[in-house]
Amino acid sequence: GAVVSQHPSRVICKSGTSVKIECRSLDFQATTMFWYRQFPKQSLMLMATSNEGSKATYEQGVEKDKFLINHASLTLSTLTVTSAHPEDSSFYICSASFWTAGETQYFGPGTRLLVL
Amino acid sequence: QQPVQSPQAVILREGEDAVINCSSSKALYSVHWYRQKHGEAPVFLMILLKGGEQKGHEKISASFNEKKQQSSLYLTASQLSYSGTYFCGTVNRGSTLGRLYFGRGTQLTVWP
Repeated sequence: GAVVSQHPSRVICKSGTSVKIECRSLDFQATTMFWYRQFPKQSLMLMATSNEGSKATYEQGVEKDKFLINHASLTLSTLTVTSAHPEDSSFYICSASFWTAGETQYFGPGTRLLVL
Repeated sequence: QQPVQSPQAVILREGEDAVINCSSSKALYSVHWYRQKHGEAPVFLMILLKGGEQKGHEKISASFNEKKQQSSLYLTASQLSYSGTYFCGTVNRGSTLGRLYFGRGTQLTVWP
């Protein structure tokens, strides 16, 4: 149980384009979903926290207009990287939690973004 | 806010033991341990919610010293499959529920 999927797993795009990443909880309803970014050999840095039907809470230093988060349902959250640039290339990982899991976060497989 | 992990890296032979430590400057509500293989997402190992709690998962166990704001992960009789980067994540007391701060990770390499 507690499976989280992400799509796509890899994406290569040209600078200036927008990329949408989907995060789905497959067998549970997620109370909260989190978006992280991880650069090579570094830790996971939280970008934003989102609850279904409400605006995402962004971490300090994360541009809201650049990283658009939509949490349309209890099983789906999307992250859109708008006007992507090479410095946005990274590994983006979502996680989901639900109350009965005692705050445990279950991670998706991640999306590797390369902006040329 | 970010917990401190030590050591940064460990190299072991199969069958040897290792301890990874995680300490925080903040009072903790819970400690979470994850393992991440190269190019993959982190995999949940265990969560510790109570001071003094110890948990086990096969030959991997952990303890939580709430007073010292520390947790340790114990890997006994390590196997090749244990290789990866281990992250501790902490939830601070009084912070937004579920907000995890991750340490920088400990890279564990097990050789045959």
